Amino acid sequence: AQTVTQSQPEMSVQEAETVTLSCTYDTSENNYYLFWYKQPPSRQMILVIRQEAYKQQNATENRFSVNFQKAAKSFSLKISDSQLGDTAMYFCAFIPSFGNEKLTFGTGTRLTIIP
Amino acid sequence: KAGVTQTPRYLIKTRGQQVTLSCSPISGHRSVSWYQQTPGQGLQFLFEYFSETQRNKGNFPGRFSGRQFSNSRSEMNVSTLELGDSALYLCASSFLTTGGRETQYFGPGTRLLVL
Repeated sequence: AQTVTQSQPEMSVQEAETVTLSCTYDTSENNYYLFWYKQPPSRQMILVIRQEAYKQQNATENRFSVNFQKAAKSFSLKISDSQLGDTAMYFCAFIPSFGNEKLTFGTGTRLTIIP
Repeated sequence: KAGVTQTPRYLIKTRGQQVTLSCSPISGHRSVSWYQQTPGQGLQFLFEYFSETQRNKGNFPGRFSGRQFSNSRSEMNVSTLELGDSALYLCASSFLTTGGRETQYFGPGTRLLVL
Protein backbone atom coordinates (compact mmCIF):
# COMPACT_ATOMS: atom_id res chain seq x y z
CA ALA A 1 0.00 0.00 0.00
CA GLN A 2 1.10 3.51 -0.74
CA THR A 3 1.32 6.27 1.84
CA VAL A 4 1.78 10.01 1.43
CA THR A 5 2.99 12.19 4.27
CA GLN A 6 2.78 15.95 4.58
CA SER A 7 4.50 16.95 7.79
CA GLN A 8 3.55 20.64 7.76
CA PRO A 9 -0.10 21.07 8.80
CA GLU A 10 0.04 24.86 8.46
CA MET A 11 2.36 27.43 6.94
CA SER A 12 2.22 31.14 6.36
CA VAL A 13 4.33 33.46 4.28
CA GLN A 14 4.38 37.10 3.29
CA GLU A 15 3.06 38.04 -0.11
CA ALA A 16 5.76 37.98 -2.83
CA GLU A 17 7.98 35.62 -0.85
CA THR A 18 8.87 32.04 -1.73
CA VAL A 19 7.52 29.07 0.19
CA THR A 20 8.24 25.34 0.00
CA LEU A 21 5.76 22.65 0.98
CA SER A 22 7.09 19.20 1.83
CA CYS A 23 5.79 15.79 0.83
CA THR A 24 7.22 12.32 1.22
CA TYR A 25 5.74 9.06 0.01
CA ASP A 26 6.29 5.37 0.34
CA THR A 27 5.79 2.88 -2.45
CA SER A 28 7.30 -0.19 -4.02
CA GLU A 29 6.14 0.89 -7.47
CA ASN A 30 8.64 2.12 -10.04
CA ASN A 31 6.21 3.86 -12.38
CA TYR A 32 3.87 6.37 -10.88
CA TYR A 33 2.61 9.94 -10.93
CA LEU A 34 2.81 12.57 -8.24
CA PHE A 35 0.55 15.58 -8.01
CA TRP A 36 0.02 18.72 -6.05
CA TYR A 37 -3.59 19.82 -5.78
CA LYS A 38 -4.81 23.09 -4.33
CA GLN A 39 -8.13 23.45 -2.51
CA PRO A 40 -9.09 27.10 -1.87
CA PRO A 41 -11.97 28.08 0.42
CA SER A 42 -14.38 27.35 -2.45
CA ARG A 43 -13.44 23.65 -1.88
CA GLN A 44 -12.80 23.06 -5.60
CA MET A 45 -9.79 20.75 -5.93
CA ILE A 46 -7.50 22.27 -8.55
CA LEU A 47 -4.49 20.60 -10.14
CA VAL A 48 -1.34 22.64 -9.55
CA ILE A 49 1.38 20.45 -11.01
CA ARG A 50 2.12 16.87 -12.03
CA GLN A 51 5.32 14.83 -12.13
CA GLU A 52 5.89 11.51 -13.86
CA ALA A 53 8.32 9.33 -11.93
CA TYR A 54 10.26 8.26 -15.02
CA LYS A 55 11.12 11.89 -15.81
CA GLN A 56 14.22 13.16 -14.06
CA GLN A 57 13.47 16.78 -14.91
CA ASN A 58 11.45 18.59 -12.28
CA ALA A 59 8.07 19.85 -13.42
CA THR A 60 7.35 23.58 -13.48
CA GLU A 61 4.17 25.57 -14.06
CA ASN A 62 4.73 29.31 -14.00
CA ARG A 63 5.40 30.22 -10.35
CA PHE A 64 5.08 26.60 -9.20
CA SER A 65 7.89 24.09 -9.36
CA VAL A 66 8.72 20.81 -7.70
CA ASN A 67 11.83 19.19 -6.33
CA PHE A 68 11.40 15.51 -7.10
CA GLN A 69 13.90 13.19 -5.43
CA LYS A 70 12.92 9.67 -6.46
CA ALA A 71 15.50 7.82 -4.38
CA ALA A 72 14.54 9.77 -1.29
CA LYS A 73 10.82 9.51 -2.17
CA SER A 74 10.44 13.22 -1.69
CA PHE A 75 8.27 15.60 -3.69
CA SER A 76 8.26 19.21 -2.49
CA LEU A 77 6.38 22.13 -4.02
CA LYS A 78 7.96 25.56 -4.33
CA ILE A 79 5.74 28.60 -4.85
CA SER A 80 7.63 31.68 -5.98
CA ASP A 81 6.38 35.27 -5.73
CA SER A 82 3.45 34.09 -3.64
CA GLN A 83 0.12 35.81 -4.17
CA LEU A 84 -2.96 36.22 -2.00
CA GLY A 85 -4.82 33.84 -4.30
CA ASP A 86 -2.39 31.09 -3.35
CA THR A 87 -4.04 30.87 0.07
CA ALA A 88 -5.46 27.34 0.18
CA MET A 89 -5.04 23.78 1.39
CA TYR A 90 -2.40 21.99 -0.63
CA PHE A 91 -2.56 18.22 -1.05
CA CYS A 92 0.20 15.99 -2.30
CA ALA A 93 -1.10 12.88 -4.08
CA PHE A 94 0.29 9.68 -5.58
CA ILE A 95 -1.01 7.09 -8.03
CA PRO A 96 0.69 4.16 -9.75
CA SER A 97 0.84 4.47 -13.50
CA PHE A 98 -0.88 1.16 -14.10
CA GLY A 99 -3.38 -1.08 -12.41
CA ASN A 100 -6.56 -0.54 -10.48
CA GLU A 101 -5.08 1.77 -7.90
CA LYS A 102 -6.63 4.81 -6.32
CA LEU A 103 -5.22 8.28 -5.88
CA THR A 104 -3.67 8.46 -2.39
CA PHE A 105 -3.63 11.87 -0.73
CA GLY A 106 -1.58 13.35 2.06
CA THR A 107 -3.29 15.11 4.94
CA GLY A 108 -2.69 18.53 3.45
CA THR A 109 -0.87 21.75 4.31
CA ARG A 110 -2.90 24.86 4.99
CA LEU A 111 -1.02 27.76 3.39
CA THR A 112 -1.85 31.36 4.24
CA ILE A 113 -0.39 34.24 2.27
CA ILE A 114 -0.14 37.35 4.42
CA PRO A 115 -0.64 40.72 2.72
CA LYS B 1 -13.70 22.07 -22.83
CA ALA B 2 -16.19 21.99 -19.96
CA GLY B 3 -14.93 20.72 -16.62
CA VAL B 4 -16.33 18.08 -14.31
CA THR B 5 -19.78 18.99 -13.08
CA GLN B 6 -21.54 17.74 -9.98
CA THR B 7 -25.14 18.10 -8.94
CA PRO B 8 -26.52 19.10 -6.62
CA ARG B 9 -23.94 21.39 -5.03
CA TYR B 10 -25.58 21.39 -1.61
CA LEU B 11 -27.92 18.95 0.03
CA ILE B 12 -29.56 18.64 3.43
CA LYS B 13 -31.05 15.32 4.45
CA THR B 14 -32.18 13.66 7.65
CA ARG B 15 -30.97 10.44 9.17
CA GLY B 16 -32.40 7.35 7.54
CA GLN B 17 -33.02 8.98 4.19
CA GLN B 18 -31.18 8.10 1.03
CA VAL B 19 -29.42 10.41 -1.41
CA THR B 20 -28.17 10.28 -4.98
CA LEU B 21 -25.34 12.46 -6.24
CA SER B 22 -24.48 12.95 -9.88
CA CYS B 23 -21.22 13.56 -11.70
CA SER B 24 -20.65 14.40 -15.37
CA PRO B 25 -17.02 13.93 -16.43
CA ILE B 26 -14.99 15.95 -18.87
CA SER B 27 -15.91 15.04 -22.43
CA GLY B 28 -13.88 12.03 -23.55
CA HIS B 29 -13.03 10.91 -20.02
CA ARG B 30 -14.33 7.44 -19.24
CA SER B 31 -12.96 7.00 -15.74
CA VAL B 32 -14.86 8.52 -12.83
CA SER B 33 -13.72 8.32 -9.21
CA TRP B 34 -15.54 9.38 -6.06
CA TYR B 35 -14.00 10.66 -2.83
CA GLN B 36 -15.39 11.64 0.54
CA GLN B 37 -13.75 14.52 2.36
CA THR B 38 -14.31 15.19 6.04
CA PRO B 39 -12.30 17.24 8.56
CA GLY B 40 -11.58 14.16 10.65
CA GLN B 41 -10.78 11.56 7.99
CA GLY B 42 -9.44 13.72 5.20
CA LEU B 43 -9.86 12.52 1.64
CA GLN B 44 -11.04 8.94 1.35
CA PHE B 45 -11.54 6.98 -1.84
CA LEU B 46 -15.01 5.56 -2.41
CA PHE B 47 -14.91 3.88 -5.82
CA GLU B 48 -13.87 4.21 -9.44
CA TYR B 49 -15.85 3.39 -12.55
CA PHE B 50 -14.59 2.87 -16.06
CA SER B 51 -16.78 1.94 -19.01
CA GLU B 52 -19.72 1.23 -16.71
CA THR B 53 -17.70 -1.20 -14.57
CA GLN B 54 -16.46 -0.68 -11.06
CA ARG B 55 -12.65 -0.94 -11.18
CA ASN B 56 -11.81 -0.28 -7.58
CA LYS B 57 -13.62 0.18 -4.31
CA GLY B 58 -12.63 1.81 -1.05
CA ASN B 59 -13.35 0.67 2.47
CA PHE B 60 -16.89 1.94 2.88
CA PRO B 61 -20.03 0.07 3.97
CA GLY B 62 -22.47 -1.32 1.47
CA ARG B 63 -24.75 1.68 2.03
CA PHE B 64 -22.48 3.48 -0.41
CA SER B 65 -22.97 2.41 -3.99
CA GLY B 66 -22.41 3.82 -7.43
CA ARG B 67 -22.91 3.24 -11.08
CA GLN B 68 -21.82 4.62 -14.40
CA PHE B 69 -23.86 5.09 -17.52
CA SER B 70 -22.93 4.57 -21.15
CA ASN B 71 -22.27 8.31 -21.56
CA SER B 72 -19.73 8.05 -18.66
CA ARG B 73 -21.91 10.06 -16.27
CA SER B 74 -21.81 8.55 -12.82
CA GLU B 75 -24.06 8.52 -9.80
CA MET B 76 -23.38 7.56 -6.24
CA ASN B 77 -26.06 6.62 -3.78
CA VAL B 78 -25.99 6.54 -0.01
CA SER B 79 -28.84 4.72 1.69
CA THR B 80 -29.94 4.95 5.32
CA LEU B 81 -27.99 8.13 5.93
CA GLU B 82 -26.08 8.58 9.17
CA LEU B 83 -24.83 11.77 10.79
CA GLY B 84 -21.27 10.71 9.96
CA ASP B 85 -22.06 10.77 6.24
CA SER B 86 -22.01 14.57 6.36
CA ALA B 87 -19.12 15.46 4.09
CA LEU B 88 -17.96 16.98 0.85
CA TYR B 89 -18.27 14.40 -1.92
CA LEU B 90 -15.83 14.95 -4.75
CA CYS B 91 -15.94 13.40 -8.17
CA ALA B 92 -12.91 13.23 -10.45
CA SER B 93 -12.59 12.18 -14.07
CA SER B 94 -9.60 11.05 -16.04
CA PHE B 95 -8.62 9.75 -19.44
CA LEU B 96 -7.55 6.16 -18.90
CA THR B 97 -5.68 4.31 -21.64
CA THR B 98 -3.79 1.04 -22.03
CA GLY B 99 -0.70 3.19 -21.79
CA GLY B 100 -1.54 4.12 -18.25
CA ARG B 101 -3.33 6.73 -16.24
CA GLU B 102 -3.86 10.36 -16.89
CA THR B 103 -4.44 13.16 -14.44
CA GLN B 104 -7.64 13.21 -12.41
CA TYR B 105 -9.61 16.45 -12.66
CA PHE B 106 -12.05 17.24 -9.92
CA GLY B 107 -15.53 18.69 -9.87
CA PRO B 108 -16.68 21.37 -7.42
CA GLY B 109 -18.10 18.78 -5.04
CA THR B 110 -21.45 18.17 -3.37
CA ARG B 111 -21.70 19.26 0.22
CA LEU B 112 -24.02 16.90 2.10
CA LEU B 113 -25.34 17.71 5.54
CA VAL B 114 -27.21 15.00 7.45
CA LEU B 115 -29.38 16.18 10.33
